[in-house]
Amino acid sequence: DIQMTQSPSSLSASVGDRVTITCQASQDIGNYLNWYQQRPGKAPNLLIYDASNLKTGVPSRFSGSGSGTDFTFTITSLQPEDFATYYCQQSDNLPYTFGQGTNLEIK
Amino acid sequence: EVQLLESGGGLVQPGGSLRLSCVASGFTFSNYAMSWVRQAPGKGLEWVSAIGGSGGTTYYADSVRGRFTISRDNSENTLFLQMNSLRAEDTATYYCAKDELTYTSGWYRYWGQGTLVTVSS
Repeated sequence: DIQMTQSPSSLSASVGDRVTITCQASQDIGNYLNWYQQRPGKAPNLLIYDASNLKTGVPSRFSGSGSGTDFTFTITSLQPEDFATYYCQQSDNLPYTFGQGTNLEIK
Repeated sequence: EVQLLESGGGLVQPGGSLRLSCVASGFTFSNYAMSWVRQAPGKGLEWVSAIGGSGGTTYYADSVRGRFTISRDNSENTLFLQMNSLRAEDTATYYCAKDELTYTSGWYRYWGQGTLVTVSS
Protein backbone atom coordinates (compact mmCIF):
# COMPACT_ATOMS: atom_id res chain seq x y z
CA ASP A 1 0.00 0.00 0.00
CA ILE A 2 1.10 3.57 -0.63
CA GLN A 3 1.80 5.46 2.58
CA MET A 4 0.90 9.14 2.73
CA THR A 5 2.84 11.24 5.21
CA GLN A 6 1.23 14.57 5.92
CA SER A 7 2.78 17.38 7.92
CA PRO A 8 2.33 19.08 10.20
CA SER A 9 -0.28 17.11 12.14
CA SER A 10 -1.49 20.34 13.72
CA LEU A 11 -1.05 23.98 12.96
CA SER A 12 -2.03 27.18 14.73
CA ALA A 13 -2.57 30.26 12.63
CA SER A 14 -4.41 33.55 12.58
CA VAL A 15 -7.01 34.97 10.24
CA GLY A 16 -5.19 36.46 7.27
CA ASP A 17 -2.17 34.15 7.55
CA ARG A 18 -0.79 32.01 4.77
CA VAL A 19 -0.43 28.33 5.65
CA THR A 20 1.15 25.40 3.88
CA ILE A 21 0.64 21.69 4.41
CA THR A 22 2.84 19.07 2.81
CA CYS A 23 2.09 15.51 1.83
CA GLN A 24 4.65 12.91 0.81
CA ALA A 25 3.85 9.64 -0.90
CA SER A 26 5.89 6.50 -0.32
CA GLN A 27 6.15 6.01 -4.08
CA ASP A 28 5.57 7.98 -7.27
CA ILE A 29 1.86 8.72 -7.66
CA GLY A 30 2.12 11.13 -10.58
CA ASN A 31 -0.41 13.86 -9.97
CA TYR A 32 -3.05 11.59 -8.43
CA LEU A 33 -3.26 13.54 -5.22
CA ASN A 34 -6.39 15.10 -3.72
CA TRP A 35 -7.06 17.42 -0.80
CA TYR A 36 -10.13 17.43 1.44
CA GLN A 37 -11.36 19.71 4.18
CA GLN A 38 -13.37 18.29 7.06
CA ARG A 39 -15.20 20.24 9.70
CA PRO A 40 -16.23 18.56 12.98
CA GLY A 41 -19.21 16.27 12.56
CA LYS A 42 -19.32 16.75 8.80
CA ALA A 43 -18.37 14.70 5.77
CA PRO A 44 -15.11 15.51 3.98
CA ASN A 45 -15.31 18.19 1.31
CA LEU A 46 -13.15 17.89 -1.79
CA LEU A 47 -11.12 21.01 -2.44
CA ILE A 48 -8.46 20.00 -4.94
CA TYR A 49 -8.12 16.98 -7.22
CA ASP A 50 -5.25 15.75 -9.35
CA ALA A 51 -2.78 17.80 -7.32
CA SER A 52 -3.70 21.25 -8.54
CA ASN A 53 -7.24 21.36 -9.90
CA LEU A 54 -9.59 23.45 -7.81
CA LYS A 55 -13.08 22.01 -7.50
CA THR A 56 -15.70 24.33 -8.91
CA GLY A 57 -16.90 26.75 -6.26
CA VAL A 58 -13.84 26.46 -4.03
CA PRO A 59 -12.28 29.86 -3.29
CA SER A 60 -9.07 30.70 -5.09
CA ARG A 61 -7.19 31.20 -1.82
CA PHE A 62 -6.85 27.41 -1.82
CA SER A 63 -4.21 25.89 -4.09
CA GLY A 64 -2.23 22.72 -4.56
CA SER A 65 0.96 21.77 -6.33
CA GLY A 66 3.44 18.97 -6.75
CA SER A 67 3.90 15.69 -8.55
CA GLY A 68 5.62 12.39 -8.03
CA THR A 69 6.05 12.01 -4.29
CA ASP A 70 5.96 15.55 -2.90
CA PHE A 71 2.89 17.76 -2.74
CA THR A 72 1.92 21.05 -1.17
CA PHE A 73 -1.41 22.55 -0.19
CA THR A 74 -1.62 26.27 0.52
CA ILE A 75 -4.24 28.59 1.89
CA THR A 76 -3.50 32.26 1.39
CA SER A 77 -5.19 34.74 3.69
CA LEU A 78 -6.94 32.38 6.12
CA GLN A 79 -10.62 33.00 6.74
CA PRO A 80 -12.52 31.99 9.91
CA GLU A 81 -14.35 29.21 8.05
CA ASP A 82 -11.02 27.63 7.03
CA PHE A 83 -10.23 26.34 10.49
CA ALA A 84 -10.79 22.62 10.04
CA THR A 85 -8.90 19.39 9.42
CA TYR A 86 -7.29 18.81 6.04
CA TYR A 87 -6.43 15.46 4.46
CA CYS A 88 -4.42 14.50 1.44
CA GLN A 89 -5.36 11.31 -0.44
CA GLN A 90 -3.69 9.38 -3.22
CA SER A 91 -5.87 8.01 -6.00
CA ASP A 92 -3.13 6.40 -8.05
CA ASN A 93 -3.34 2.88 -6.67
CA LEU A 94 -5.85 0.86 -4.70
CA PRO A 95 -6.24 0.89 -1.79
CA TYR A 96 -6.66 4.63 -1.91
CA THR A 97 -4.92 6.00 1.15
CA PHE A 98 -5.20 9.19 3.13
CA GLY A 99 -2.69 11.20 5.07
CA GLN A 100 -3.22 11.32 8.81
CA GLY A 101 -4.68 14.82 8.64
CA THR A 102 -3.68 18.34 9.63
CA ASN A 103 -5.76 20.08 12.28
CA LEU A 104 -5.72 23.79 11.53
CA GLU A 105 -6.55 25.75 14.65
CA ILE A 106 -7.04 29.39 15.43
CA LYS A 107 -4.08 30.97 17.20
CA GLU B 1 -28.52 17.97 -7.11
CA VAL B 2 -26.52 14.92 -6.09
CA GLN B 3 -27.64 13.44 -2.80
CA LEU B 4 -26.36 10.41 -0.93
CA LEU B 5 -28.23 9.17 2.11
CA GLU B 6 -26.76 6.41 4.25
CA SER B 7 -28.64 4.28 6.73
CA GLY B 8 -28.27 1.04 8.64
CA GLY B 9 -25.72 1.98 11.27
CA GLY B 10 -26.14 1.12 14.92
CA LEU B 11 -24.81 -0.84 17.86
CA VAL B 12 -23.76 -4.43 17.21
CA GLN B 13 -21.89 -6.99 19.27
CA PRO B 14 -18.45 -8.24 18.25
CA GLY B 15 -18.85 -11.01 15.71
CA GLY B 16 -22.19 -9.64 14.56
CA SER B 17 -23.37 -8.37 11.21
CA LEU B 18 -24.81 -5.17 9.84
CA ARG B 19 -25.88 -4.00 6.42
CA LEU B 20 -25.41 -0.40 5.41
CA SER B 21 -27.36 1.24 2.60
CA CYS B 22 -26.79 4.41 0.62
CA VAL B 23 -29.58 5.75 -1.53
CA ALA B 24 -28.41 8.00 -4.34
CA SER B 25 -30.24 10.63 -6.33
CA GLY B 26 -29.51 13.45 -8.73
CA PHE B 27 -27.36 11.48 -11.18
CA THR B 28 -27.41 8.36 -13.34
CA PHE B 29 -26.39 5.91 -10.65
CA SER B 30 -25.24 3.07 -12.91
CA ASN B 31 -22.78 5.37 -14.70
CA TYR B 32 -20.55 5.83 -11.67
CA ALA B 33 -18.47 3.77 -9.34
CA MET B 34 -19.26 4.14 -5.66
CA SER B 35 -17.15 3.76 -2.54
CA TRP B 36 -17.31 3.45 1.22
CA VAL B 37 -14.90 5.43 3.40
CA ARG B 38 -14.87 5.20 7.19
CA GLN B 39 -13.62 7.27 10.07
CA ALA B 40 -13.09 5.91 13.56
CA PRO B 41 -14.00 8.32 16.36
CA GLY B 42 -11.37 11.05 16.57
CA LYS B 43 -9.28 9.43 13.83
CA GLY B 44 -8.51 9.95 10.17
CA LEU B 45 -10.16 8.72 7.01
CA GLU B 46 -9.82 5.16 5.76
CA TRP B 47 -10.93 3.97 2.35
CA VAL B 48 -12.88 0.71 2.75
CA SER B 49 -14.29 -0.53 -0.53
CA ALA B 50 -15.35 0.44 -4.06
CA ILE B 51 -17.58 -1.00 -6.75
CA GLY B 52 -17.77 -0.27 -10.45
CA GLY B 53 -20.86 1.17 -12.06
CA SER B 54 -22.14 -2.16 -13.33
CA GLY B 55 -21.35 -3.89 -10.07
CA GLY B 56 -19.02 -6.31 -11.80
CA THR B 57 -15.81 -5.11 -10.19
CA THR B 58 -15.22 -4.72 -6.49
CA TYR B 59 -12.26 -3.66 -4.39
CA TYR B 60 -11.53 -3.91 -0.68
CA ALA B 61 -9.07 -2.69 1.91
CA ASP B 62 -7.08 -5.52 3.45
CA SER B 63 -8.61 -4.68 6.83
CA VAL B 64 -12.10 -5.71 5.66
CA ARG B 65 -11.49 -8.17 2.82
CA GLY B 66 -13.29 -11.44 3.46
CA ARG B 67 -15.61 -9.88 6.04
CA PHE B 68 -17.30 -7.03 4.14
CA THR B 69 -19.12 -7.24 0.82
CA ILE B 70 -19.97 -4.23 -1.31
CA SER B 71 -22.84 -4.43 -3.76
CA ARG B 72 -25.29 -2.21 -5.57
CA ASP B 73 -28.82 -2.30 -6.98
CA ASN B 74 -28.83 0.00 -9.97
CA SER B 75 -32.60 -0.35 -10.37
CA GLU B 76 -33.04 1.12 -6.90
CA ASN B 77 -30.09 3.55 -7.02
CA THR B 78 -28.77 1.98 -3.85
CA LEU B 79 -25.31 1.02 -2.63
CA PHE B 80 -24.81 -1.57 0.09
CA LEU B 81 -22.10 -2.68 2.47
CA GLN B 82 -22.68 -6.02 4.16
CA MET B 83 -20.45 -6.20 7.21
CA ASN B 84 -19.90 -9.57 8.88
CA SER B 85 -17.64 -10.74 11.70
CA LEU B 86 -17.53 -7.23 13.05
CA ARG B 87 -14.72 -6.21 15.37
CA ALA B 88 -14.30 -3.36 17.81
CA GLU B 89 -11.88 -1.74 15.37
CA ASP B 90 -14.67 -1.49 12.79
CA THR B 91 -16.35 1.13 14.98
CA ALA B 92 -16.55 4.21 12.79
CA THR B 93 -18.72 6.57 10.85
CA TYR B 94 -19.19 5.08 7.40
CA TYR B 95 -19.55 7.42 4.45
CA CYS B 96 -20.66 6.51 0.98
CA ALA B 97 -19.05 8.53 -1.77
CA LYS B 98 -19.70 8.97 -5.47
CA ASP B 99 -16.79 8.36 -7.79
CA GLU B 100 -16.13 10.44 -10.90
CA LEU B 101 -15.93 7.55 -13.35
CA THR B 102 -17.70 4.31 -14.14
CA TYR B 103 -14.56 2.59 -12.99
CA THR B 104 -13.15 4.03 -9.83
CA SER B 105 -11.09 7.21 -10.04
CA GLY B 106 -10.52 7.32 -6.32
CA TRP B 107 -11.51 10.90 -5.65
CA TYR B 108 -14.86 12.00 -4.37
CA ARG B 109 -16.76 15.19 -5.05
CA TYR B 110 -19.92 13.99 -3.31
CA TRP B 111 -20.29 12.32 0.07
CA GLY B 112 -23.17 11.19 2.23
CA GLN B 113 -23.67 12.46 5.76
CA GLY B 114 -22.36 9.24 7.27
CA THR B 115 -23.82 6.51 9.45
CA LEU B 116 -22.26 5.45 12.75
CA VAL B 117 -21.44 1.82 13.40
CA THR B 118 -20.51 0.89 16.95
CA VAL B 119 -19.17 -2.58 17.68
CA SER B 120 -19.31 -3.26 21.40
CA SER B 121 -20.58 -5.78 23.88
